[in-house]
This record gives sequence, structure tokens and C-alpha cells, in this order.
Amino acid sequence: AQTVTQSQPEMSVQEAETVTLSCTYDTSENNYYLFWYKQPPSRQMILVIRQEAYKQQNATENRFSVNFQKAAKSFSLKISDSQLGDTAMYFCAFMRLIQGAQKLVFGQGTRLTINP
Amino acid sequence: KAGVTQTPRYLIKTRGQQVTLSCSPISGHRSVSWYQQTPGQGLQFLFEYFSETQRNKGNFPGRFSGRQFSNSRSEMNVSTLELGDSALYLCASSLDSAGDPRGETQYFGPGTRLLVL
Repeated sequence: AQTVTQSQPEMSVQEAETVTLSCTYDTSENNYYLFWYKQPPSRQMILVIRQEAYKQQNATENRFSVNFQKAAKSFSLKISDSQLGDTAMYFCAFMRLIQGAQKLVFGQGTRLTINP
Repeated sequence: KAGVTQTPRYLIKTRGQQVTLSCSPISGHRSVSWYQQTPGQGLQFLFEYFSETQRNKGNFPGRFSGRQFSNSRSEMNVSTLELGDSALYLCASSLDSAGDPRGETQYFGPGTRLLVL
């Protein structure tokens, strides 16, 4: 069964610092998609970045980048030059297909606090 | 384009009642998924609809049901509410085009917070 594990329940850094959130997953599939979502206090789940396992190149979106290690089944998120608005819960997720239907399997989340 | 909308945003019900939550996907999106979020269990998949058909359902009791209309709008219903049903219910939509559906990004609504007393 596919599982997603986020080993850091909480993290806290100073504004402008770089922070890395960890995520590991378990799957027997060869090609798949991974996602990082952000959930600020407003509770709106927002897509941060996505990665296709077939692609060797790590995905990047502005200050957000991933370190995707397929063999190690690791998918960490790096936030550079962190800002106060980055304070949120961050969820790592794996996309499964069951009978043609999408199903996101989420990790337990990491609560990230950016301090001024 | 307008994002995913969910109504109502907040609900307070008592045990034994039933509730219906509504979700309007992004225009053109055909797949709608529902998730339950609680502090204890995290984010759990409820069900997914496409073209008015439920394609998959998570491990929830039969009290949880849903449907999708021809305009892709979706509703979920919870009957005989229990205290443990208190949660944030999130709806997500995706395009579900002819490509690899695993790569289709799901876009989430703001959620409906349900409190069962």
C-alpha cells in the first residue's frame, strides 16, 4: 500500500532563512506523481509544487524547490528566503489511481512557523 | 477562472441529524473528490466522482454518500451524524483530461467546517 510519511510534525525558522521539509513515501509503482500542498490558517489547501517521478530534474517554483530521490523514495521541499506568509501546514501527497479515479494520499503534515 | 467553491463554510449540527455539503468545481473540471480532515486522522479520502458516477470510495461507513450533477457540481451527505464526524470537509476538482490522470492537479476549495454537538 502506498503511504506517505512526514517525520517533522513542527518546524520553526527565522524569516529569510532556508528550510527543508522531509517526506518519504512507499510505492511499488514506477511512474507516479508527488505533490506538496500548503494549508495556511485560512484552511485553503494550495498547491505548492508537483513532481513527476519519471523526470530526473527536480521541480522548482520560485522560492520553492524539491529534492526528489527516487531510489530512496524521498521527496523533500526546500523553501528559500522564507517569508512570514509561508507560515502554514505543509502536506506531502502521493497521487494514486484506483479504477481510473484519482486519490491523493497525504502525509500527516508539518507545521511550519516563520518568525520575524 | 473562479476557484472551487464550497457551501456552507460553517455548520453546527446535533447528533442524529443529517447534513448536505455542496461543492462547485472549477469551470471545465469534471472530476470532484472529497476529503475529510481531522486532527487525529489527518486528511482522508472520502470519494471521487466523474461524469455523475462515483468511481472510488474511501473507507467510510455508508452514512457518508455523495452525488454529482450533470454540471459537475457535487454534494455529499452525512446521515445520522456522530460526534466523530466533526471535521473540515474539503472538496477538490481536477480536469481529468485524456492524459495521465495521476498527473492532474487537484485544486481545493476552502472547505466546510462541520461541528457536531
